[in-house]
Amino acid sequence: DAGVTQSPTHLIKTRGQQVTLRCSPKSGHDTVSWYQQALGQGPQFIFQYYEEEERQRGNFPDRFSGHQFPNYSSELNVNALLLGDSALYLCASSQGLAGGSKQYFGPGTRLTVT
Amino acid sequence: SQQGEEDPQALSIQEGENATMNCSYKTSINNLQWYRQNSGRGLVHLILIRSNEREKHSGRLRVTLDTSKKSSSLLITASRAADTASYFCATVPEAGGYNKLIFGAGTRLAVHP
Repeated sequence: DAGVTQSPTHLIKTRGQQVTLRCSPKSGHDTVSWYQQALGQGPQFIFQYYEEEERQRGNFPDRFSGHQFPNYSSELNVNALLLGDSALYLCASSQGLAGGSKQYFGPGTRLTVT
Repeated sequence: SQQGEEDPQALSIQEGENATMNCSYKTSINNLQWYRQNSGRGLVHLILIRSNEREKHSGRLRVTLDTSKKSSSLLITASRAADTASYFCATVPEAGGYNKLIFGAGTRLAVHP
């Protein structure tokens, strides 16, 4: 049973460019959440997708957008990259939206913006 | 913004010793979870404790929750070098939080052989 997978593992982009990160949830999970983790910090919630809709959003600008596909996989898009967007981007999947659902995290995508 | 704050920020101990990490949070919660992260990679779920629970055990891990003080602690007994990692507490808000996790800044634990 495959866990949460993310691609790519590492990515280097230049300021102003756009990037797309991908996540496949654990088998049987239908909810995907995205987190940004800056170096030395805890993860910060970006947004959450369920039934192909954004259900919740953290304090991130509109440059951050996402999508969930019918097979529950998800993409995170970041436009007009800034140096401050350099971070580890983590995807987590769970079953449903209930607050007690255990979340499973992928290995992350490390984005470097130069 | 981050809700939880871990204490201490860093902890260095010898193998076989116990490690205690504390977490404080600000708002009412549905549950509190502890995660481990090795070398800046993915997070591994350790334990979930619900707001109506006071203590939970899992192997060498013991978690307590005091909702009146809005705090939790994670105890790792008989630590091993393999326990070296960053540990994060994360809360799920009581109201409207669905399954959104709010993390603290973490405690970096180093266990020396």
